[in-house]
Amino acid sequence: NAGVTQTPKFQVLKTGQSMTLQCAQDMNHEYMSWYRQDPGMGLRLIHYSVGAGITDQGEVPNGYNVSRSTTEDFPLRLLSAAPSQTSVYFCASSYPIGGANTEAFFGQGTRLTVV
Amino acid sequence: LAKTTQPISMDSYEGQEVNITCSHNNIATNDYITWYQQFPSQGPRFIIQGYKTKVTNEVASLFIPADRKSSTLSLPRVSLSDTAVYYCLVGGGSQGNLIFGKGTKLSVKP
Repeated sequence: NAGVTQTPKFQVLKTGQSMTLQCAQDMNHEYMSWYRQDPGMGLRLIHYSVGAGITDQGEVPNGYNVSRSTTEDFPLRLLSAAPSQTSVYFCASSYPIGGANTEAFFGQGTRLTVV
Repeated sequence: LAKTTQPISMDSYEGQEVNITCSHNNIATNDYITWYQQFPSQGPRFIIQGYKTKVTNEVASLFIPADRKSSTLSLPRVSLSDTAVYYCLVGGGSQGNLIFGKGTKLSVKP
């Protein structure tokens, strides 16, 4: 099993450009989510999905779009990149481990720089 | 969602036991306590989860007092490779939508 795979690992964008960060998981998890981590900070939730066709906003959704057409894939789209979106982006997939709790598995991250 | 407070940083030496305490005064009845570990340039990794008393696995122990208003992550005999940021999460996340704080940066010295 590869777990959670994110591509690309590094990306430089110019202000105003758009791009899609890819995320794929092979663990058949229903839940997937995207986070951003700025230097010295904790992770902040951007968007999440509880299954194919269902997505919801997290703490910092503005400037990002998501869709979930399959269980395996959860791409994150930057509509018009801004320097404030320079960050490391992590994708995660999760499964329930009892009660209302989940265990999350994270990808290796995509380091994005917007100039 | 229960607010958590944990130290920003801690220093330790190899071979010592490290205890990181997290305060969560407004924890709800059905909230579990979960800890994640994040190494530099990597995504977080689930370490341990508990509801009350004590939970132990091959990596760490989690101590939760009866009032559940705090919890302590215990790492026995740390090594240099335990240098990481440790996050305490309480409640939420039932749909994979985890909310992280700033965590505790643990530095282990030789």
